[in-house]
Amino acid sequence: ETGVTQSPTHLIKTRGQQVTLRCSSQSGHNTVSWYQQALGQGPQFIFQYYREEENGRGNFPPRFSGLQFPNYSSELNVNALELDDSALYLCASSFGTGTRSGNTIYFGEGSWLTVV
Amino acid sequence: AQSVTQPDIHITVSEGASLELRCNYSYGATPYLFWYVQSPGQGLQLLLKYFSGDTLVQGIKGFEAEFKRSQSSFNLRKPSVHWSDAAEYFCAVGVKTSYDKVIFGPGTSLSVIP
Repeated sequence: ETGVTQSPTHLIKTRGQQVTLRCSSQSGHNTVSWYQQALGQGPQFIFQYYREEENGRGNFPPRFSGLQFPNYSSELNVNALELDDSALYLCASSFGTGTRSGNTIYFGEGSWLTVV
Repeated sequence: AQSVTQPDIHITVSEGASLELRCNYSYGATPYLFWYVQSPGQGLQLLLKYFSGDTLVQGIKGFEAEFKRSQSSFNLRKPSVHWSDAAEYFCAVGVKTSYDKVIFGPGTSLSVIP
């Protein structure tokens, strides 16, 4: 157990809809990252939040957005869903970020999103 | 650009046999390296990590990995494979700038024959 919990575990959405995925970080962790893992591929970095602000982003369009709350829980929002957004979305938490941290990133079980 | 290569898409071994999964990385600075395992329908579990120091790293479930800077490699090994080791294995490099991100390889799928 990593102490990172995600919800929902599975969901199905229609193309064009919006979705919100949630993540509760491991206790004491103030940094959360989100990754997208398409079927048969390795996870791809979406973005990272540190102390409630986005401080790093991968190659994903603006319709992928997020929030981090004062208790360090987090949301991933995806607008105008496309078929290619179907994937496993992984949340990861850690303490500190960048060169200030040498710590490991712990992943949750993920949320499976299917867009039809 | 940073990247991770796992040359073997799929490997099949017999239970009790030894295992080596290959990983090569491209990163300009001293790398932070990880191996994660993912069982079907599950999230990622950290097997081991290398940040600095001893280049032979011990992990959970009897796995070990060796960092070889000259070869830009971080191969994962296990002396005797168990049927429960069948899973997808991901090698990854941690990139540390103003933020952390982990770049994953494409994964190696391991099948174990009883």
